[in-house]
Amino acid sequence: NAGVTQTPKFRILKIGQSMTLQCAQDMNHNYMYWYRQDPGMGLKLIYYSVGAGITDKGEVPNGYNVSRSTTEDFPLRLELAAPSQTSVYFCASRPGTGTGQPQHFGDGTRLSIL
Amino acid sequence: SQKIEQNSEALNIQEGKTATLTCNYTNYSPAYLQWYRQDPGRGPVFLLLIRENEKEKRKERLKVTFDTTLKQSLFHITASQPADSATYLCALDNYGQNFVFGPGTRLSVLP
Repeated sequence: NAGVTQTPKFRILKIGQSMTLQCAQDMNHNYMYWYRQDPGMGLKLIYYSVGAGITDKGEVPNGYNVSRSTTEDFPLRLELAAPSQTSVYFCASRPGTGTGQPQHFGDGTRLSIL
Repeated sequence: SQKIEQNSEALNIQEGKTATLTCNYTNYSPAYLQWYRQDPGRGPVFLLLIRENEKEKRKERLKVTFDTTLKQSLFHITASQPADSATYLCALDNYGQNFVFGPGTRLSVLP
């Protein structure tokens, strides 16, 4: 029972480089989310998707892009990496918004920009 | 703007005692409030959900209360154990597309 899988687990980038953080879920969930977590700051929403082909900005979208071509996958793209993007990135999914359904999280990607 | 606070960044208690964590919010009307546990190097894991019309919810040694007048939720762990040491996050949900998470409280249960 894989749940939400994130790759890679760790990555070091140089300033100005680009990369894609991968997220896949096998629970057939419609909603998927990308968060970043900085020490003492909680989870900040970057982008979310309510289904294949539909994405929307969260609280901190600048410097990131997403796509959702399938129900299962929700990759996060960093263009022109900056030191401020050093963080731990979490992907999550949930079936929908009814009856308070909880989010299911992956174990994160730890990204350092040097 | 919406704001969520959790009572302290860190809480130390002795094994066997009851741990009480607080979640306060402003400028928000949640339909649900959820609590998650996060261990170092792992993603958050869902623990409990309480609805706006519920006062209290229990699950084994966990108890959550929700006071929409005070805009506060209390999360209790009774008979705490060192294995309960983790960071606990509250999250608010109002049927919207996304949640709003608190900053978390790091709980340490000392043997």
